[in-house]
Amino acid sequence: DTGVSQDPRHKITKRGQNVTFRCDPISEHNRLYWYRQTLGQGPEFLTYFQNEAQLEKSRLLSDRFSAERPKGSFSTLEIQRTEQGDSAMYLCATSLMGGNTEAFFGQGTRLTVV
Amino acid sequence: GQQLNQSPQSMFIQEGEDVSMNCTSSSIFNTWLWYKQDPGEGPVLLIALYKAGELTSNGRLTAQFGITRKDSFLNISASIPSDVGIYFCAGLTGTASKLTFGTGTRLQVTL
Repeated sequence: DTGVSQDPRHKITKRGQNVTFRCDPISEHNRLYWYRQTLGQGPEFLTYFQNEAQLEKSRLLSDRFSAERPKGSFSTLEIQRTEQGDSAMYLCATSLMGGNTEAFFGQGTRLTVV
Repeated sequence: GQQLNQSPQSMFIQEGEDVSMNCTSSSIFNTWLWYKQDPGEGPVLLIALYKAGELTSNGRLTAQFGITRKDSFLNISASIPSDVGIYFCAGLTGTASKLTFGTGTRLQVTL
């Protein structure tokens, strides 16, 4: 499978715990995005990498959230001290830089904070 | 954050019927994308539009990039049960790399 891959698919955690999600992009895609989707809403942008550089962060991304893409390939999204309001689907998308910028999404990680 | 307005919010149609949905924005976009999302899955790209006025087809799906660059339309012809899902529009500006998504149109197809 050469699509965007996310792990885990589901995560249940207790409030206050830290969680980390991983995204593996389509191999030649140098842009990587994280989105958050709550029930009944469209995905909302969190942050964006071009290669290993984090170029933009949304105001939705509180200081408990951190994302990395150390070698410009896979990315991780960590949430520290999780809160119930963090419960959502976390989606990763990747695209090629320049030209037509079609973004392809992974299957997402469903986070439930109890 | 900002979300684009999609209408209708939901539709119940019979198999074989045609479907139309639209997406409007107060801002101009340079690219419009249409995605379909099944429950518990990520959005799947259906159609991409890059030029104002462009009309693009993908099988039974046809989408148009509005002339004002503030809207887009998606039509599905001869609907089938596997068309069930939530359809999202998404816009991209030339200066931003992030997609702004619509609020979604939920489609239900009855036999």
